Amino acid sequence: DAGVIQSPRHEVTEMGQEVTLRCKPISGHDYLFWYRQTMMRGLELLIYFNNNVPIDDSGMPEDRFSAKMPNASFSTLKIQPSEPRDSAVYFCASSLFRVRMNTEAFFGQGTRLTVV
Amino acid sequence: AQSVTQLGSHVSVSEGALVLLRCNYSSSVPPYLFWYVQYPNQGLQLLLKYTTGATLVKGINGFEAEFKKSETSFHLTKPSAHMSDAAEYFCAVSSNEKLTFGTGTRLTIIP
Repeated sequence: DAGVIQSPRHEVTEMGQEVTLRCKPISGHDYLFWYRQTMMRGLELLIYFNNNVPIDDSGMPEDRFSAKMPNASFSTLKIQPSEPRDSAVYFCASSLFRVRMNTEAFFGQGTRLTVV
Repeated sequence: AQSVTQLGSHVSVSEGALVLLRCNYSSSVPPYLFWYVQYPNQGLQLLLKYTTGATLVKGINGFEAEFKKSETSFHLTKPSAHMSDAAEYFCAVSSNEKLTFGTGTRLTIIP
């Protein structure tokens, strides 16, 4: 397996524009996580899915953020409208569930988003 | 709720010296603990994990960590630092279905 694949690797957009980040998890994994990494706040869990169903979106900063997982092999994180403070690296990760999640999460290489 | 605290956002060691990165956890149930490494412009990669059993856990690249329940600690060590160890290191604890990360420690290796 090629691992978790994220696209694009880099995105530069103007404030107010819609941004869509994409993730393909590892085949067979039933959990998918979206994280955001900034210098100020470190790694924050935004939302996670189990079997394509959103389980916990309490980390989503505001209504401008939305995430979907239409099938087991694809997820999107959308920001509309984007703001400069959304600039960060966004990571997608997937995991195969075991009891109390004692298995590792596999991370993609991230999407570096810059909103100007 | 489970959480982890990493002491020291930056650590510098000389090449060949001992590496010690500190992590303390808070958990209401027996924790599952992880150390991840992030190289520049890369995603996170698992170094090692503690689930149950042996409290001394060995990972990749010569790293190991010891789970100490009495101290609620899971410190990461490596006997001899190598230049290639320069990276950011994250401690994490599992909480039901998700991982909660510490704020990270940036390790610098001095030639």
